[in-house]
Amino acid sequence: QQQVKQSPQSLIVQKGGISIINCAYENTAFDYFPWYQQFPGKGPALLIAIRPDVSEKKEGRFTISFNKSAKQFSLHIMDSQPGDSATYFCAASLGAGNMLTFGGGTRLMVKP
Amino acid sequence: EAGVTQFPSHSVIEKGQTVTLRCDPISGHDNLYWYRRVMGKEIKFLLHFVKESKQDESGMPNNRFLAERTGGTYSTLKVQPAELEDSGVYFCASSRLGSNNEQFFGPGTRLTVL
Repeated sequence: QQQVKQSPQSLIVQKGGISIINCAYENTAFDYFPWYQQFPGKGPALLIAIRPDVSEKKEGRFTISFNKSAKQFSLHIMDSQPGDSATYFCAASLGAGNMLTFGGGTRLMVKP
Repeated sequence: EAGVTQFPSHSVIEKGQTVTLRCDPISGHDNLYWYRRVMGKEIKFLLHFVKESKQDESGMPNNRFLAERTGGTYSTLKVQPAELEDSGVYFCASSRLGSNNEQFFGPGTRLTVL
C-alpha cells in the first residue's frame, strides 16, 4: 500500500511554462511534507517543505500548495528552465527525525 | 561542510555473494537513515539510527540485510547473501537531532546483482 501517490510519472514543459506535480497522501497524521529534486548521479536534495498549518509556501520560482482536507499537496515551478530538468519526489513524515515516505517520482523535462 | 558520502558508487556482484555499503554522514548529524530505490519505484525507507542505536528498522526487507553504526559515526549496510531483487540504488541520509527533519542525502550506491 503506497501511502504517498505522485503524478504524473513524467512531464514535458516548454521553457518559461509552469510545471505542476501533484501528490496525495493517506495518513492524516503526517506533519511534514518536503519536495526533493534529484539530478542524474546525485542524491535527492531538499527543494522546499511545508507543514500542514499553512496552505502555501513560496521560495523563488517554487511554490508548494497544500490542501489538508483533500490530503493533497502540489509543487508548482514557475518560469520553468532547462536547468530544472530533474526527477522530483514528494515525501511525507510523521514527527521530527522520523522516516520519510516518498512518492514514486516525476521526471521533468523542460524543453528550450 | 562536507555532505553525506557513500562508498562504493557502484557495485556489481553475483547472486549469493556478499556486499557491504558504507555511509559517512555529515559531521554532527546523529540521525542516519538508509533508503533504497528499486528500478522505477519509490524510494523506500530501510532503517534509522540515532547515534549508534537502531531507532526504527521496520523497513528492512529480511534478515539478509544487516546495518551497523559502531561508535555513532559512519554506518555500513551488509547484504548477505545477495539476491537478484536486492538490485537498486541505496541512499543514505543524515540529519541533526531536533531539526525539522531536513534530511541530507548522499549520492547513493547503485547495486546490481546478477
